[in-house]
Amino acid sequence: GAGVSQSPRYKVAKRGQDVALRCDPISGHVSLFWYQQALGQGPEFLTYFQNEAQLDKSGLPSDRFFAERPEGSVSTLKIQRTQQEDSAVYLCASSFYATEAFFGQGTRLTVV
Amino acid sequence: DQQVKQNSPSLSVQEGRISILNCDYTNSMFDYFLWYKKYPAEGPTFLISISSIKDKNEDGRFTVFLNKSAKHLSLHIVPSQPGDSAVYFCAASGANYGQNFVFGPGTRLSVLP
Repeated sequence: GAGVSQSPRYKVAKRGQDVALRCDPISGHVSLFWYQQALGQGPEFLTYFQNEAQLDKSGLPSDRFFAERPEGSVSTLKIQRTQQEDSAVYLCASSFYATEAFFGQGTRLTVV
Repeated sequence: DQQVKQNSPSLSVQEGRISILNCDYTNSMFDYFLWYKKYPAEGPTFLISISSIKDKNEDGRFTVFLNKSAKHLSLHIVPSQPGDSAVYFCAASGANYGQNFVFGPGTRLSVLP
C-alpha cells in the first residue's frame, strides 16, 4: 500500500524483554517521527529523523529506548528491558519535510 | 506543562448541526497548526491545517480558524455527520521550534443521528 506501515500491530512482552518495532514510511518522505500514545492521551513525541539522520531524540523517555533509520527509509524503535510503564501505542509518522505528517496504524505494546 | 490544550474531553452534537472543537496553545513559536481525526484501533488521519499567516482555511465541510493574538484555534464541521464521530487532535509545530508536532489530549466527538 501507499501508506505508512507498522509491524507488528500488537506485541505482548514480558517485563525485562527487549522489543523491536518497525516502521515503513511513505516512499519519498524525508521526515520520520515516532510518537508514544498512552490511553486517553494525545501522541507524545519521541524522536525525529530527516533521512538517516536522527535530528531530535529529546522525547525518548530513557536510555532503554533507541531508534534508527540506517538507510533513510525503514525505521526501527527498540526498547530494551521493557517495563510496565512502556505499555502504550507506538505511532510512526512520515512527512515530506515540514508538511503534515501521515501516521501508521500503530503498534500496541503491552508489557506484562 | 501542556503546550497544546483541548479543554473539552468530549462533545455531543446532533446530526446536521455544527460541531465546534477548540484548541489553545501557549508557545508563541508555533506557526503551523493541524487537526487530526482518529478512529479506534487506527492511527490519526490528517484532516486540515493552517499556517500562521492565515486566519482561516476551508476544505469542504471542515473549516479551521486561527486567532494568533489569543493563541486559539477552532475546527468547525458543518453539517456534522455520524461518520464524523471520532477523537479529534489538535497539533502544532514551528520552523523555529523543531520539526516535531506537539499534540493536544484530544476531544471525543459524538454525532447523534
